[in-house]
Amino acid sequence: ILNVEQSPQSLHVQEGDSTNFTCSFPSSNFYALHWYRWETAKSPEALFVMTLNGDEKKKGRISATLNTKEGYSYLYIKGSQPEDSATYLCASRSLNRDDKIIFGKGTRLHILP
Amino acid sequence: DARVTQTPRHKVTEMGQEVTMRCQPILGHNTVFWYRQTMMQGLELLAYFRNRAPLDDSGMPKDRFSAEMPDATLATLKIQPSEPRDSAVYFCASGFGGGANVLTFGAGSRLTVL
Repeated sequence: ILNVEQSPQSLHVQEGDSTNFTCSFPSSNFYALHWYRWETAKSPEALFVMTLNGDEKKKGRISATLNTKEGYSYLYIKGSQPEDSATYLCASRSLNRDDKIIFGKGTRLHILP
Repeated sequence: DARVTQTPRHKVTEMGQEVTMRCQPILGHNTVFWYRQTMMQGLELLAYFRNRAPLDDSGMPKDRFSAEMPDATLATLKIQPSEPRDSAVYFCASGFGGGANVLTFGAGSRLTVL
């Protein structure tokens, strides 16, 4: 994997249901994986940053896991609420000289009432 | 709350005109990133700086875009001449230190080139 890829691109979930989506990233020279939440007409806001294989982070009903060896991270939302509707971005930072932060295209989550 | 401040918030200009977007990073942050929001590419990295030094601007069209950081409190992104395909929302984000620290984004500058 050369780029940061997220799937699915879009997701509709019934209110109250739980859901999850995936971020795949280059595993070589991995340094950190970020998750951001981006509401329409606003700017992205940080949710988590993870660096170690097996890391798990949690904030309320949202949690994330990290597998650096195979290059993927999952974001989980438990008991979806309308306010969870947003685009969820992941970004990978590599341990290279240039130390870029590269974003995936995001997963657009729609919570259905 | 500490904020990343971007100006202008909205800019409408005509093709061929120069456009300058400004970003004031959070005091103490030493990395600044410029991204462009596009439908196809999501958040596209244009350029970034660490300790005011440009580290990578390979994402920018070199013939018309330039990014600078004249001091620690100001980063600029300039387009000259602007073209309709440059119409997008441009985000500045700042952070501190290495990759384990998240970015704080500004509100974005929405550019429309007619």
